[in-house]
Amino acid sequence: ETGVTQSPTHLIKTRGQQVTLRCSSQSGHNTVSWYQQALGQGPQFIFQYYREEENGRGNFPPRFSGLQFPNYSSELNVNALELDDSALYLCASSWTGGYGYTFGSGTRLTVV
Amino acid sequence: DQQVKQNSPSLSVQEGRISILNCDYTNSMFDYFLWYKKYPAEGPTFLISISSIKDKNEDGRFTVFLNKSAKHLSLHIVPSQPGDSAVYFCAASRNYGGSQGNLIFGKGTKLSVKP
Repeated sequence: ETGVTQSPTHLIKTRGQQVTLRCSSQSGHNTVSWYQQALGQGPQFIFQYYREEENGRGNFPPRFSGLQFPNYSSELNVNALELDDSALYLCASSWTGGYGYTFGSGTRLTVV
Repeated sequence: DQQVKQNSPSLSVQEGRISILNCDYTNSMFDYFLWYKKYPAEGPTFLISISSIKDKNEDGRFTVFLNKSAKHLSLHIVPSQPGDSAVYFCAASRNYGGSQGNLIFGKGTKLSVKP
């Protein structure tokens, strides 16, 4: 097991720009989820991917999109960045039929 | 509308004593509950969980109690150690066809264990 790794660790972007965050899931985990954690809040579910297809989405606008690849890596893309998008973005992986998610250390995104 | 609530933003406990962290939920469809611990600059780490068919689950110093009628769960840490100082998140999920759904988190409780 290699755990869940995310890149980059920190990122600063300008309002209106686009950003791509990356995640490498734990070996054997075929489900990946993304969460947004704003300051002082708990993580909020963005969406989940299983077998390269989105199979669940939280209350986030379409400018938040994602991809999952056959090697279990995934991406979170955010278009037209807004100041409120500044947050810690967490990737979590699991395997279908199992319980519990393994989280990465997150990417701290700052939008200025 | 917050479905999972942790009403205490912080808790301070003396080393060796019991820490009790509380969590309330509103959705009776939740059937699985988890506690995560988070240190600064790290992702949440799974601590302990409980299924809705149980009312207690114990793992070493950590015990989670579930009161379904009150829609309340609590995490007990005995004895508390300085290394337990972290933010603790309560989370809930629903089972969909045998698979766990996404997690709904509370806002967290920052635990400080003083030597």
